[in-house]
Formats: sequence, C-alpha cells, structure tokens
Amino acid sequence: EAGVAQSPRYKIIEKRQSVAFWCNPISGHATLYWYQQILGQGPKLLIQFQNNGVVDDSQLPKDRFSAERLKGVDSTLKIQPAKLEDSAVYLCASSRILGTDSYEQYFGPGTRLTVT
Amino acid sequence: KQEVTQIPAALSVPEGENLVLNCSFTDSAIYNLQWFRQDPGKGLTSLLLIQSSQREQTSGRLNASLDKSSGRSTLYIAASQPGDSATYLCAVEGGSNYKLTFGKGTLLTVNP
Repeated sequence: EAGVAQSPRYKIIEKRQSVAFWCNPISGHATLYWYQQILGQGPKLLIQFQNNGVVDDSQLPKDRFSAERLKGVDSTLKIQPAKLEDSAVYLCASSRILGTDSYEQYFGPGTRLTVT
Repeated sequence: KQEVTQIPAALSVPEGENLVLNCSFTDSAIYNLQWFRQDPGKGLTSLLLIQSSQREQTSGRLNASLDKSSGRSTLYIAASQPGDSATYLCAVEGGSNYKLTFGKGTLLTVNP
C-alpha cells in the first residue's frame, strides 16, 4: 500500500510570512496526526484528527497555527505568521480507527521548514 | 504527564558490536511501546511495536523488551553494521486518545 505523502519536502520562508503543508494519509486510515520535531528533540504532537473531527489540539499554538482535514482524508497545516522558533520538521502520520485495539502509526517523510 | 527518557543520547561503536539502547517512561499506563528509526532528513520508520501485555518483540537483528511495571524498555541490536547508523526513537502510546509520547532519541554511529 502507498505510504503517507507530504509536500513540500522543504520550505524556506522569512519570519512573519505564512506557509502551508499538505498531507495525504494511507488509504482507509481514519486517524491523522501532525507532529513538530525541533532539531535534537523527539516529535511533539500538534493535532490529532479522527475522520474530519479534532481529537486533540492541546499543544497547537492556536494564535498562529491552524489545521483542517477536509472530507476526512487530506489535511493541511498552516502557520501564519511564522516565527524563527517554528523552524522544525513537520511530520504527518496516520493510523487505523481510534478506540480499537492498539494500533501502529505510519509516518510520512516530513516537511523541513526553515524560518529566517 | 508522560515523560520518556532515552539513554545514551549518542553512541559510537565499531562494526560488529552488540549494543543496547535504553528507554524509560514515567507513567506505566500505556497501550504499547514503539521503537522507531530516523535517518537524517527523513521521516520515522517503525522498527518494533510491543503491546502492553507483551514482554518482547524480535525482528531480524533487533530485539526489544518491555518491563511496564518498572517503566523501562531496551532495544538490543546484534552484530551492528554501518547501515544501522541513525537516530533511534522510543515512543509510548497512552491516554484516552492513544497519544504517542516520544523520547529525544539516541544517535547511533557504527564505524566500519
């Protein structure tokens, strides 16, 4: 089966600009996650969707970050305006439906964002 | 709040050595524990997933153990190869939304 797709792979922007990332999960996976991974750190969950509903966005900086998952499939993550500390790799992951037996998350290649 | 710690932060070994990476977590109420591999500039590749009811999992030269009561896991790599060089991340899954909490990783370098 095809893996999790993300684009773009790399993005360089200036602070205060806006940027958007796109994710296409594995077909049939109801749960989608966005993680932020700062250099030298483990990934941190930003937001979790089940179908097109938000399950957890407690660590999403809502004053500048937003995310949506249209029709329960693709998702976009937006940052507006970007700050220097947003420089990180943004990872998308997907898994089968929440609430069943413990399941595995599959990760995309990530988008490396550099804010100058 | 779940916290995951990985020791050591970095490890350099000669080719052929057996090695152990350590992971500890503070809240034992987990559903599973996963070990991931991350190559520079790449996403995460799942290596092994241990369910909370299991004690270990094996895949090729990799063996992962889980002691849920003490909050510890180890990843054993046998006969290391230069291609094993990568960052290894440990993550535990828990909570009502099956959230993954990651450690900071161990950077492994296997020298030819």
